Amino acid sequence: SAVISQKPSRDICQRGTSLTIQCQVDSQVTMMFWYRQQPGQSLTLIATANQGSEATYESGFVIDKFPISRPNLTFSTLTVSNMSPEDSSIYLCSVGTGGSGTDTQYFGPGTRLTVL
Amino acid sequence: QKEVEQNSGPLSVPEGAIASLNCTYSDRGSQSFFWYRQYSGKSPELIMSIYSNGDKEDGRFTAQLNKASQYVSLLIRDSQPSDSATYLCAVTPPGGYNKLIFGAGTRLAVHP
Repeated sequence: SAVISQKPSRDICQRGTSLTIQCQVDSQVTMMFWYRQQPGQSLTLIATANQGSEATYESGFVIDKFPISRPNLTFSTLTVSNMSPEDSSIYLCSVGTGGSGTDTQYFGPGTRLTVL
Repeated sequence: QKEVEQNSGPLSVPEGAIASLNCTYSDRGSQSFFWYRQYSGKSPELIMSIYSNGDKEDGRFTAQLNKASQYVSLLIRDSQPSDSATYLCAVTPPGGYNKLIFGAGTRLAVHP
């Protein structure tokens, strides 16, 4: 499976500020995704990061709050904008491998964000 | 109704026993099914994937899929304390373009 790294691994931020999280993969992958895991909860998909085009957001998530970039097949960023304490979560990127319909996703180590 | 449902647990089993984890999903057209293990403070780790009805075995793990009943399970044989973690069931919905819908997870505790 691909080796996935995320930066930063954790951060503590003040409300109203923004944080950009980086996801780097050691090989080219077709699909990259961003998830949120709130304290004690399961994973919720934020968006699919599309290479060369705008990300596809899930219901409840908007580009102004979570802008995403995907400049190439090995790298993506997620920005959490105008943060509030409710944004305190673990943010995870994942990559999809294999063909359509049988894609398996592997997760990066996550970024633990605390907003004060 | 939640799209993917799991009993939150905790499921407590003695060391050496079989742990049985269950998951139901609401969308009959779902095609791909995954089990992830997540240790506290860590990211999810893929254990098994299953796409066809029946059983799929990998070492001490067996995934079972019944599409007619919209049910997928994970059996862990010879459970070890190191298996203590939260197990997440994930499903790719029809036309989901490979995205995953996760259940809330079942916390498994294996005691010596």
